[in-house]
Amino acid sequence: EDQVTQSPEALRLQEGESSSLNCSYTVSGLRGLFWYRQDPGKGPEFLFTLYSAGEEKEKERLKATLTKKESFLHITAPKPEDSATYLCASSNTGNQFYFGTGTSLTVIP
Amino acid sequence: GAGVSQSPSNKVTEKGKDVELRCDPISGHTALYWYRQSLGQGLEFLIYFQGNSAPDKSGLPSDRFSAERTGGSVSTLTIQRTQQEDSAVYLCASSPRTSGRWGETQYFGPGTRLLVL
Repeated sequence: EDQVTQSPEALRLQEGESSSLNCSYTVSGLRGLFWYRQDPGKGPEFLFTLYSAGEEKEKERLKATLTKKESFLHITAPKPEDSATYLCASSNTGNQFYFGTGTSLTVIP
Repeated sequence: GAGVSQSPSNKVTEKGKDVELRCDPISGHTALYWYRQSLGQGLEFLIYFQGNSAPDKSGLPSDRFSAERTGGSVSTLTIQRTQQEDSAVYLCASSPRTSGRWGETQYFGPGTRLLVL
C-alpha cells in the first residue's frame, strides 16, 4: 500500500541551527512529491513540487531534495518565523494523493 | 488573485443534523479536492473533481458523505446525520491541471472547522 512517513514528528531548533526533515515514501508510480507548510488554524501553503529523483528546489532558507525513496527538506539558519508544521505528500499514477502526518518545527529565538 | 475560499470557517452542530460546507476554488482551476484533517492525523483524501468528469469518490468514509460541484466551479460537501467522529477540519484545494500531468500543485483554502456535539 502506498504511504508517506515523515520524521521526526517534532523538532526544536535554536535560531540559526540548520537541520533536515525527512519524508519517506512508498508509492507505486510516483508522479509528484510535494512539500507544504501549515500554520496553526490555516490550510497548507504550497512550498515545492519535485517530480524526479535528483531534483532539487530552493526557496529562501528552504531546500527540497528527492531520491527514489525519500525527500528531505533542508532548513538553513532557521528563524522563529519558520516555525510551523511541514507536510509532505505524494501523488501516483492512480491519481491518488497521500499526505504524511507532518513535522512540527519550533525555532527558538 | 483570490485564493481558495471556504465557508463557514467554523461550524458547530448537534449529532444527527446535516451540514453543508462550501468551497470556492481559484478561478480557472479545473481540479478540486476535499480532504479531512483530524487532530494529530494526516490529511485524509475524500473526493476529487476534474472538469466535467465523474468525480473520484473513493475516499468518502461512508454514504453519509456526498459532494457536488456546480458549473465546474463551486463545490459543496454535505454530511448527513453527523456523528461526533465527523468532527475535524475539512479542507478544500484546487489545482489548474494545465499540463495534464497528474501531480499538479494543489492550493488549499483555510478550512472549515466542524464540531459535532
